[in-house]
Amino acid sequence: DAKTTQPNSMESNEEEPVHLPCNHSTISGTDYIHWYRQLPSQGPEYVIHGLTSNVNNRMASLAIAEDRKSSTLILHRATLRDAAVYYCILSSVSGGYNKLIFGAGTRLAVHP
Amino acid sequence: EAGVTQFPSHSVIEKGQTVTLRCDPISGHDNLYWYRRVMGKEIKFLLHFVKESKQDESGMPNNRFLAERTGGTYSTLKVQPAELEDSGVYFCASSQVVSYNEQFFGPGTRLTVL
Repeated sequence: DAKTTQPNSMESNEEEPVHLPCNHSTISGTDYIHWYRQLPSQGPEYVIHGLTSNVNNRMASLAIAEDRKSSTLILHRATLRDAAVYYCILSSVSGGYNKLIFGAGTRLAVHP
Repeated sequence: EAGVTQFPSHSVIEKGQTVTLRCDPISGHDNLYWYRRVMGKEIKFLLHFVKESKQDESGMPNNRFLAERTGGTYSTLKVQPAELEDSGVYFCASSQVVSYNEQFFGPGTRLTVL
């Protein structure tokens, strides 16, 4: 399974944008880029995913480099509730399922 | 719509005892996954069901772990006999079988083996 590299931790102030980077230089052509987050004492939660093009949803935006070797999760206005561990995961989707290989993730702290 | 539920939320048992964890996926989700995080480590995939069939058991640590999904609805994960290193949080997730399937995770079961 392809590996990802993320900073261990990041900090942000409330209502400011946050850019969470992820390097995945060994990504294959069939790998999707997934982002999940884990709030304290909860199970992981889906944030966004993409393959080649940038993606937006109600939670965040995903910017994917042209060579696909890196990506950035963008939280446009951080809130205290966004404090969590964010996981960047590569996984191919075949047969209608994919297993997630979690790394250490980035622990995001949001300050009032 | 109800999310993924797991029971119990916490379990404390003695080494050598048996524990059974239960997961109820979202209704209509044929994919069901088990993951776990043991102390200080990353979340690890254990296995994956499609309906009642095991599709991938590559993450199961050893034969003390037995997962079942009779009838393709809820799933159980039995640990027998439990060892100290089994302590951790066990997560269940479910998803639909479509071209891309977001996985919905339950809150987890925290297992403590003394």
